[in-house]
Amino acid sequence: AQSVTQPDIHITVSEGASLELRCNYSYGATPYLFWYVQSPGQGLQLLLKYFSGDTLVQGIKGFEAEFKRSQSSFNLRKPSVHWSDAAEYFCAVGGDSNYQLIWGAGTKLIIKP
Amino acid sequence: DTGVSQDPRHKITKRGQNVTFRCDPISEHNRLYWYRQTLGQGPEFLTYFQNEAQLEKSRLLSDRFSAERPKGSFSTLEIQRTEQGDSAMYLCASSLPRLAGGPPRETQYFGPGTRLLVL
Repeated sequence: AQSVTQPDIHITVSEGASLELRCNYSYGATPYLFWYVQSPGQGLQLLLKYFSGDTLVQGIKGFEAEFKRSQSSFNLRKPSVHWSDAAEYFCAVGGDSNYQLIWGAGTKLIIKP
Repeated sequence: DTGVSQDPRHKITKRGQNVTFRCDPISEHNRLYWYRQTLGQGPEFLTYFQNEAQLEKSRLLSDRFSAERPKGSFSTLEIQRTEQGDSAMYLCASSLPRLAGGPPRETQYFGPGTRLLVL
């Protein structure tokens, strides 16, 4: 079955600290992987995506993610978080012939001052 | 690039009423998607259009739900005889088509959503 698991419902980090959000997927074909961010009352904004090539991808707002096929993971990282990063983060997977995106349940990021 | 727009942003209705939402995709995008998102969950796929053709519907899309994209531009999602369980955020996204033999371009760009509350 195709699925995306984000094991952490909430994560709290101090402003300026590093961040890693976990994403594991189960997908029967070559996966395309995405991270989106959703702020309260806002739509989903694409942070970064992986289609092929370099497994370390850079995104907007200083985020990066690494695709590890052997671990079926696509974890999101940021070296130093800012208060404005507080939001909900969603990992999603799709495929070459699959227009549907399959989504994780999201991880809510809380920033401590 | 004006982005994906959705109207209305919020809708409160009474159980049993019909509601209709509109989505305007990014102008050069010929693919359009509808998703539903409930609190604490990721989006769930509802349906998908390529131009005016509705190519796939999720089993989540009951007979009370209908979506159209008559001219291949904007789309509407109608819910008939609304139920309290229909309360959710309805998200629209659009994307470019995949060119034969070309790299994938199916990044989906989302609108702000329509939040529906059924009383």
